[in-house]
Amino acid sequence: QEKVQQSPESLIVPEGAMSSLNCTFSNSASQSIWWYQQHPGKGPEALISIFSNGNKKEGRLTVYLNRASLHVSLHIRDSQPSDSAVYLCAVGGGSALGRLHFGAGTQLIVIP
Amino acid sequence: GGIITQTPKFLIGQEGQKLTLKCQQNFNHDTMYWYRQDSGKGLRLIYYSITENDLQKGDLSEGYDASREKKSSFSLTVTSAQKNEMAVFLCASSEVANTEVFFGKGTRLTVV
Repeated sequence: QEKVQQSPESLIVPEGAMSSLNCTFSNSASQSIWWYQQHPGKGPEALISIFSNGNKKEGRLTVYLNRASLHVSLHIRDSQPSDSAVYLCAVGGGSALGRLHFGAGTQLIVIP
Repeated sequence: GGIITQTPKFLIGQEGQKLTLKCQQNFNHDTMYWYRQDSGKGLRLIYYSITENDLQKGDLSEGYDASREKKSSFSLTVTSAQKNEMAVFLCASSEVANTEVFFGKGTRLTVV
């Protein structure tokens, strides 16, 4: 079974700073990596996904995937108070009927 | 776009009681999921269904039943509520496995 671990558990940054979140997974054959954002009382919402080794940039978000080291990171440039939320890393299984395996999440707090 | 509607939003039950949570989606997605979210533990998959009348057990299926009578709806039954399973139950759907998963807002279960 896929194991997904996230670090740190919580992160506090000042407004305008870069926020860096980490995720490790156990299966190098995993097909997809997703980052979800969850605000209190809401369901998770997908932010960005990556399928190939390397990096992907969308707006203030950049994701880096290194399959050899089973590591993926999410970087949020110019962090805003509205970015304060729980960020969940999710890994898609290798089988055709695979589904997402989630990490425990990182609580991000951006201080104005 | 679409929406996933979970009912009820809050559910209070007595220990040993049978409780049913309901979920409807209008994305016309094939695959639907039930996840349980405990504080600090991320999301754990209870059941999923890849098409109408299909059911697949997840990692946490013991103590739960599920039913997918039609494509748009997926219900979850807690067969005998226990005090240690107070959590948020999230329903989700996706077009096929391993694509973006969309979540409802959750049902918060309290067992007294």
